[in-house]
Amino acid sequence: GAGVSQTPSNKVTEKGKYVELRCDPISGHTALYWYRQSLGQGPEFLIYFQGTGAADDSGLPNDRFFAVRPEGSVSTLKIQRTERGDSAVYLCASSLTMSTDNTGELFFGEGSRLTVL
Amino acid sequence: AQKVTQAQTEISVVEKEDVTLDCVYETRDTTYYLFWYKQPPSGELVFLIRRNSFDEQNEISGRYSWNFQKSTSSFNFTITASQVVDSAVYFCALRGTGRRALTFGSGTRLQVQP
Repeated sequence: GAGVSQTPSNKVTEKGKYVELRCDPISGHTALYWYRQSLGQGPEFLIYFQGTGAADDSGLPNDRFFAVRPEGSVSTLKIQRTERGDSAVYLCASSLTMSTDNTGELFFGEGSRLTVL
Repeated sequence: AQKVTQAQTEISVVEKEDVTLDCVYETRDTTYYLFWYKQPPSGELVFLIRRNSFDEQNEISGRYSWNFQKSTSSFNFTITASQVVDSAVYFCALRGTGRRALTFGSGTRLQVQP
């Protein structure tokens, strides 16, 4: 597709369940980012991939959160034993390169809204 | 630590009015990058501009202009002759040297009334 695609767009789950959120970046983009946006707040960084490897996972809140990008394209954010506080919009973004001359322009998807009951 | 403050939670203007969105940042990095993003109701963040810390020249792009003042750690965004389509949440963001993560402010919701 032309843009960053995220599925599902909406996910409602019960506390304690496991969820997976998928991100399909723009073709050819080597860098991929996950952010979390709570209501009325700005996005908060979770993790950044360069290719298949997680170059920076300092934003993951705890070990219930994990993300993979096995082939350097699609990424999956995995949340175990979900809690009500995990409710938020999870945004994925991609960009072309990590060079210092990069404009820093991230292309964002429309997000996956997670609601934990 | 890095921090971005957008003190204006919500602004409402009438079409054709000019409006300025404020952004104040904190960083210990000597080199850094500042950004503005627009988030329409669809939720997708749209890149508007990047500014390097060593380039204090202001920029104008159509109805949009940005005023970067390093002395006051501010990077304000002005929309001239606002239009209804400008209604969105606008985020200011900061990226320090050697990091890829953006630190976002809490956003300013702009409503332009017809």
